[in-house]
Amino acid sequence: GQNIDQPTEMTATEGAIVQINCTYQTSGFNGLFWYQQHAGEAPTFLSYNVLDGLEEKGRFSSFLSRSKGYSYLLLKELQMKDSASYLCAVSEEGANNLFFGTGTRLTVIP
Amino acid sequence: GAVVSQHPSWVICKSGTSVKIECRSLDFQATTMFWYRQFPKQSLMLMATSNEGSKATYEQGVEKDKFLINHASLTLSTLTVTSAHPEDSSFYICSARQPTQGQYFGPGTRLTVT
Repeated sequence: GQNIDQPTEMTATEGAIVQINCTYQTSGFNGLFWYQQHAGEAPTFLSYNVLDGLEEKGRFSSFLSRSKGYSYLLLKELQMKDSASYLCAVSEEGANNLFFGTGTRLTVIP
Repeated sequence: GAVVSQHPSWVICKSGTSVKIECRSLDFQATTMFWYRQFPKQSLMLMATSNEGSKATYEQGVEKDKFLINHASLTLSTLTVTSAHPEDSSFYICSARQPTQGQYFGPGTRLTVT
């Protein structure tokens, strides 16, 4: 089964750095995804990790530790437009769908 | 990149009527599509997996006779909400499996049942 945990809400200041954590318990791990979802819109892909380590993509980075069942999304130089929900999702071997966490609502304040 | 479209983007209907939502993969073939529902300030809830040419697989607690899914071609899946009630008002999102991005999501359909 899956047990994906993320903080419900976070607040950070414009220009700062924020780290959003995600822990998971799953069988047959086959990758972890991060999505950004603005209110009233569909999720958009941010990152994909299947091996341990850090993946950097501009202001956003994602880290994975498979042995710890842990990932984080790091957002640097925060902008007001980064206010959104961030969804952690896990892929399992043999399953077509992804298993989503509850999402973390990030509010960026001036 | 691949695009998934949905139609309509929003719909208002009266209680007791049926509403059909279309999900199309615009530049790729999708043998499997997914239908999600999302209530305000909550995460995505998978409703069903739509399989081209066969019956959809519904998640526990989702009424298959109320939420009819038809995946008649490799580019089109439809979700019909039958006999809609106000509690069916939600944001419905479809997606198609993509190997390196997990899933491509459609823009969503906001359903309001009055």
